[in-house]
Amino acid sequence: AQTVTQSQPEMSVQEAETVTLSCTYDTSESDYYLFWYKQPPSRQMILVIRQEAYKQQNATENRFSVNFQKAAKSFSLKISDSQLGDAAMYFCAYRAIYNFNKFYFGSGTKLNVKP
Amino acid sequence: NAGVTQTPKFRILKIGQSMTLQCAQDMNHNYMYWYRQDPGMGLKLIYYSVGAGITDKGEVPNGYNVSRSTTEDFPLRLELAAPSQTSVYFCASSYARGVEETQYFGPGTRLLVL
Repeated sequence: AQTVTQSQPEMSVQEAETVTLSCTYDTSESDYYLFWYKQPPSRQMILVIRQEAYKQQNATENRFSVNFQKAAKSFSLKISDSQLGDAAMYFCAYRAIYNFNKFYFGSGTKLNVKP
Repeated sequence: NAGVTQTPKFRILKIGQSMTLQCAQDMNHNYMYWYRQDPGMGLKLIYYSVGAGITDKGEVPNGYNVSRSTTEDFPLRLELAAPSQTSVYFCASSYARGVEETQYFGPGTRLLVL
């Protein structure tokens, strides 16, 4: 069975600094997608970044980047130049590439941004 | 585009009551999903649909039913509400082209069963 683990229930970062959120997963498949979603207090789920397992290059979206270590089954999110608006719950998610019903989320990391 | 819309935003049900959570999307997406999010947890897939007339179970389907008569709408039915169904429900949709697919979520429906 696929599982997604986020070992940091809560983290804090000073505004303008960098923070890294951790995620590990377990799978027996070789091809899959990994995602980071942001959930602000409004509860809306917002896609932050997506990584295809078959791509060697780490995904980047503006201030957000990932460190994808396939052999270690690790998928961390780095937020650079943190802003107050980055404060939210962040969820790591895994989806099997050929099975749309195999979409698994971690338990989330609450990110606090201090001014 | 309104994106993915959900109604109601919040509902209180008594044990044994029934209700339908509505979900609609105006992006002509072929795939639609229902998730539940329990307090302090991530999302779990209840049901999904790959097109009108086609639905299938996800990880936690018991106590729920769905239908997909049109591309736009994907209602979730609770027949006999139980306290264990207290949760926040999210609908999502995506346009799947082969294996490429990114889900867009609605704002959620908070359900309290007493």
